[in-house]
Amino acid sequence: GAGVSQSPRYKVAKRGQDVALRCDPISGHVSLFWYQQALGQGPEFLTYFQNEAQLDKSGLPSDRFFAERPEGSVSTLKIQRTQQEDSAVYLCASSFWREFGPLTDTQYFGPGTRLTVL
Amino acid sequence: KNEVEQSPQNLTAQEGEFITINCSYSVGISALHWLQQHPGGGIVSLFMLSSGKKKHGRLIATINIQEKHSSLHITASHPRDSAVYICAVRLNTDKLIFGTGTRLQVFP
Repeated sequence: GAGVSQSPRYKVAKRGQDVALRCDPISGHVSLFWYQQALGQGPEFLTYFQNEAQLDKSGLPSDRFFAERPEGSVSTLKIQRTQQEDSAVYLCASSFWREFGPLTDTQYFGPGTRLTVL
Repeated sequence: KNEVEQSPQNLTAQEGEFITINCSYSVGISALHWLQQHPGGGIVSLFMLSSGKKKHGRLIATINIQEKHSSLHITASHPRDSAVYICAVRLNTDKLIFGTGTRLQVFP
């Protein structure tokens, strides 16, 4: 596809259930980002991959959150033992990456997965 | 105090009005993004800038690195411009820090 896709678009989980959210970045994009957006708030950074390497996971709110990108393309964000405070829209974004030089690319966002924990 | 602050939080305008949304930040950045988010969650990148001014159609974005301030202007606003506009700053690590957004409603 032409853009970043995410699935499912909507997920309802019972408290304590494990969920897995998928992100398909734009083909060829090296960098992949996950963000969490609570209702009425701006997105907040969760984690960042460069190819399959998770370079920054400082935004993951607890050890119940785990992200992987084993082959450097598709990424999965897993939340174990979901809690009500995990209810949010989870956004994925991808971009090109350059090691040196001025930053000229931009991040392309997926439509998000709206997670509701009951 | 948030590292990225936007003002106003909410903005209403009549069609045709000139609109300005402001963004101030307190951290060192390598670039600043202006994003548009429509209901349903889809985010579109409008601009990425690290200095000066950029223009695309009716949208203009400016940034003053010394003052740590950026503005997004919409000329001849239209109801289809109604959305949430988000300022995000890029740290040297590529990590983005987002403002809470400005909700714009343009009435015919």
